[in-house]
Amino acid sequence: KQEVTQIPAALSVPEGENLVLNCSFTDSAIYNLQWFRQDPGKGLTSLLLIQSSQREQTSGRLNASLDKSSGRSTLYIAASQPGDSATYLCAVYAGNNRKLIWGLGTSLAVNP
Amino acid sequence: NAGVTQTPKFQVLKTGQSMTLQCAQDMNHNSMYWYRQDPGMGLRLIYYSASEGTTDKGEVPNGYNVSRLNKREFSLRLESAAPSQTSVYFCASSVSGVNEQYFGPGTRLTVT
Repeated sequence: KQEVTQIPAALSVPEGENLVLNCSFTDSAIYNLQWFRQDPGKGLTSLLLIQSSQREQTSGRLNASLDKSSGRSTLYIAASQPGDSATYLCAVYAGNNRKLIWGLGTSLAVNP
Repeated sequence: NAGVTQTPKFQVLKTGQSMTLQCAQDMNHNSMYWYRQDPGMGLRLIYYSASEGTTDKGEVPNGYNVSRLNKREFSLRLESAAPSQTSVYFCASSVSGVNEQYFGPGTRLTVT
């Protein structure tokens, strides 16, 4: 059974720091991995989608990597800003049951 | 484009009452989803519709029914609400199952 774990559960950093959020999954048979952002009291916003054949994807200050064989993905945020404060969730798409399997998220606070 | 819209935003029900949560998307997506989000449990799939005219159970379908009214609209019905259904409900849509999902703002439901 596919399980997705995100470490740490919470992270507090000063503004300007580069940081890494981690996501691990137990079954490497995935179609893709997706990173989302959730602001308090709001819905989820898709940040990056990495196909199983890809190693990384970049969008602005965000870079996500995927190592399928080791069951790990990282989300790198460069030069963090207070506006980056949110919960970041990763999810893997496992084709055999045609749904996203979700981690519990990392709650990020970037302090001015 | 409005993206994914959900109504209502907030609702309080008494045990045993019924209600329907409405969801609509204007992105011409084929697939639509209903999730619930609870503290410490992450996002859990209730039902999904891979395409117009089809619906399938997710992880936690008991106590819920869905209708894919047309390509745009996917409703979730609670026939007899229970306190265990107190949660935040999110609707999402995607071009197809393997593509990135777009989320609505959520409905905060309290059952007393």
